[in-house]
Amino acid sequence: DGGITQSPKYLFRKEGQNVTLSCEQNLNHDAMYWYRQDPGQGLRLIYYSQIVNDFQKGDIAEGYSVSREKKESFPLTVTSAQKNPTAFYLCASSPFGDSYSNQPQHFGDGTRLSIL
Amino acid sequence: DQQVKQNSPSLSVQEGRISILNCDYTNSMFDYFLWYKKYPAEGPTFLISISSIKDKNEDGRFTVFLNKSAKHLSLHIVPSQPGDSAVYFCAAKWVQGAQKLVFGQGTRLTINP
Repeated sequence: DGGITQSPKYLFRKEGQNVTLSCEQNLNHDAMYWYRQDPGQGLRLIYYSQIVNDFQKGDIAEGYSVSREKKESFPLTVTSAQKNPTAFYLCASSPFGDSYSNQPQHFGDGTRLSIL
Repeated sequence: DQQVKQNSPSLSVQEGRISILNCDYTNSMFDYFLWYKKYPAEGPTFLISISSIKDKNEDGRFTVFLNKSAKHLSLHIVPSQPGDSAVYFCAAKWVQGAQKLVFGQGTRLTINP
């Protein structure tokens, strides 16, 4: 069954530590995205990647880093430079290209990150 | 700069009646609009979409209306069911751009029995 897997579901971080959130998809999608959701706010784009070995900053990239070494994987690292990392993090994927411009993004079930 | 706005944080509707969720946008470059439904601690699920060349799209109990001149779209759910209780996000994108989605803040819909 195709889908997007985010792990772990809950994650705790001590101040000053980096932490990496996993996102894997088996939908054969070219594009992958990371969003952050805070209470009462919509989803805000952190980073996105349209193709392997390439990625771009979204609206709130400061304090985060990503890599895209494989088509199916797009891990997000929350660094110690991110001053307010407590949030719900969502990974998404979609086909990419002119033929797929009207395809929706599909989301994983998210990782909730909390600071100890 | 909030390019996509959902001005109602919450909406309460009686079971069986119509639910109407609203969304406004400011960027005239947006040409594709989507609605997502989200339950707590889960990822959003795609519901329905509409291209800017249309003014209405229907899928079962869900209908999305687009008024380009007013930069406004709405989602109608008829009849509303208890399982429709969730947070609904509208999103927009510019198809010729990077195809990034811009989301509204969400509206929490509660269906009362």
